Amino acid sequence: GNSVTQMEGPVTLSEEAFLTINCTYTATGYPSLFWYVQYPGEGLQLLLKATKADDKGSNKGFEATYRKETTSFHLEKGSVQVSDSAVYFCALSPGYSTLTFGKGTMLLVSP
Amino acid sequence: SAVISQKPSRDICQRGTSLTIQCQVDSQVTMMFWYRQQPGQSLTLIATANQGSEATYESGFVIDKFPISRPNLTFSTLTVSNMSPEDSSIYLCSVEQDPSGANVLTFGAGSRLTVL
Repeated sequence: GNSVTQMEGPVTLSEEAFLTINCTYTATGYPSLFWYVQYPGEGLQLLLKATKADDKGSNKGFEATYRKETTSFHLEKGSVQVSDSAVYFCALSPGYSTLTFGKGTMLLVSP
Repeated sequence: SAVISQKPSRDICQRGTSLTIQCQVDSQVTMMFWYRQQPGQSLTLIATANQGSEATYESGFVIDKFPISRPNLTFSTLTVSNMSPEDSSIYLCSVEQDPSGANVLTFGAGSRLTVL
């Protein structure tokens, strides 16, 4: 079956530090990959996506590259801000509407 | 993208009672999805609700425990029946909305239930 594994949190960083949140997946075929973000008290929002191998999704300074050879989709940001504090979820879709999510990684950024 | 409103946002419930969660979307959508987010866990799909037909439940979830209504293209309800502390979770409503076809979901803010 499909599964997503992401690094455990919380990840604690100082403002302007470099961020990496690891995500690896197991799936048959060629799934689409996503990062969702959940800010405190809000619903999940799509942060970025990639639909095929070697695609790079990017949004709000965050990037992730679809690596089929390593089955990974690591999230990176060069300089985090306090406002980036949230829970980040990696997810995959096998080609229809169902999403399989990782457990989420909490990011805490201090001034 | 669609705006999803869920009610209640949170509630504290007694064991053995039932609670209905409402999900309202500001546009017509074909499929609506109900997810559960247990403490420290990932989101798990409970069921898919299409207007005019019975909801389709995922393995481990049954209609008697989680009855779903979908009376029109903008509204759905999920009932958590005969609650136990194990049902304490965040329940999220979502819809698919991505013209590119990449299966992007939009989520409501969730309903946080605590069962005592």
